[in-house]
Amino acid sequence: DAKTTQPTSMDCAEGRAANLPCNHSTISGNEYVYWYRQIHSQGPQYIIHGLKNNETNEMASLIITEDRKSSTLILPHATLRDTAVYYCIVTSGGSNYKLTFGKGTLLTVNP
Amino acid sequence: NAGVMQNPRHLVRRRGQEARLRCSPMKGHSHVYWYRQLPEEGLKFMVYLQKENIIDESGMPKERFSAEFPKEGPSILRIQQVVRGDSAAYFCASSPRGGPSSYNSPLHFGNGTRLTVT
Repeated sequence: DAKTTQPTSMDCAEGRAANLPCNHSTISGNEYVYWYRQIHSQGPQYIIHGLKNNETNEMASLIITEDRKSSTLILPHATLRDTAVYYCIVTSGGSNYKLTFGKGTLLTVNP
Repeated sequence: NAGVMQNPRHLVRRRGQEARLRCSPMKGHSHVYWYRQLPEEGLKFMVYLQKENIIDESGMPKERFSAEFPKEGPSILRIQQVVRGDSAAYFCASSPRGGPSSYNSPLHFGNGTRLTVT
């Protein structure tokens, strides 16, 4: 699976959009980009995933660049409860259960 | 809808004892996965099971660890003769589908069992 690079930490004001970047320059054609987050003392929570098109659901939007070498997770109106570690994971469809959780980005939403 | 249920939430065992961790998948999910998170590290895949079958155990330590997902009842992760290095958070996840058709079937995780070995 392709390796991902994320900033160690980010801050965001409550009510503003949080934009979390992820680089995955070695991604291959059949690999998906998944985003999970982990709130302290809880299990990882699935957020969104995509292959090459931009995706949106009730939690977030995922923007994938045309060359697929990077992506951005957007939380449109961050709340204090969105404070968590966010993981960008690249994996092939056939083994999407073997998720490699790196260090992720600690997003802190401030009042 | 109930999510993935794991119990106990916290488990303390002395060195040499056995630890049994239970996981009930979400309703309608027949694929179960176990992950381990050591202190200050990311989650790591251990094993993937479907009802009565082990599909992929490539992340399981070769000794003392075993997992099952019987036809009836929860999935069990069993650690025999625990050592201090087994202290970690163990997470279970489930999905309705698995294998090559699973790309639209993300994993749903429970809140884990925190094992402390004294």
